[in-house]
Amino acid sequence: GQQVQQSPASLVLQEGENAELQCNFSTSLNSMQWFYQRPEGSLVSLFYNPSGTKQSGRLTSTTVIKERRSSLHISSSQITDSGTYLCAMDGPGANTGKLTFGHGTILRVHP
Amino acid sequence: GGIITQTPKFLIGQEGQKLTLKCQQNFNHDTMYWYRQDSGKGLRLIYYSITENDLQKGDLSEGYDASREKKSSFSLTVTSAQKNEMAVFLCASSRDWGSAETLYFGSGTRLTVL
Repeated sequence: GQQVQQSPASLVLQEGENAELQCNFSTSLNSMQWFYQRPEGSLVSLFYNPSGTKQSGRLTSTTVIKERRSSLHISSSQITDSGTYLCAMDGPGANTGKLTFGHGTILRVHP
Repeated sequence: GGIITQTPKFLIGQEGQKLTLKCQQNFNHDTMYWYRQDSGKGLRLIYYSITENDLQKGDLSEGYDASREKKSSFSLTVTSAQKNEMAVFLCASSRDWGSAETLYFGSGTRLTVL
């Protein structure tokens, strides 16, 4: 079946450092998303990124569909960036909410 | 804007008990989902409903029932809680079946079975 591998499993940063999170997919995919899970559990979509590069503030997502990988770059990390980052793929097939998730990267940013 | 409300936030049950989790959304979205998250793992799809009165099994449907009472609400029932089970159940909705980019999640229900 479909598998989504995320690395690293956990990451500890000093405030101000940059981070690079990786996501690799075992099968072809239609699209992928990056989510941020707050410590209390709620999820928020960061990027819906079928291909190419998207930026939002200090966050940049780059997806290379043919290589079945995506990365999330966090620049100048802040304490409030702490939490779990999940990537998820959709496909092959239609663009749906039936997503396959990775296990997540737990990020801790210290002062 | 809109919101997804899950109740209860914390649920403690006994082994063998039937437990119901509720989810309400005010986005006027057609499609709703129930995912389960175990500690240190990604989310797995239990049930989804493409539109009102529709029910579809996900990858983890055994041991669960679901009900789409109306467009705005989607309930999940654990038919027989398993001892030592601990997980977070997340409800989500999207505008329609073909719009994963419009996916929104609730804050979750944390289940503990004693």
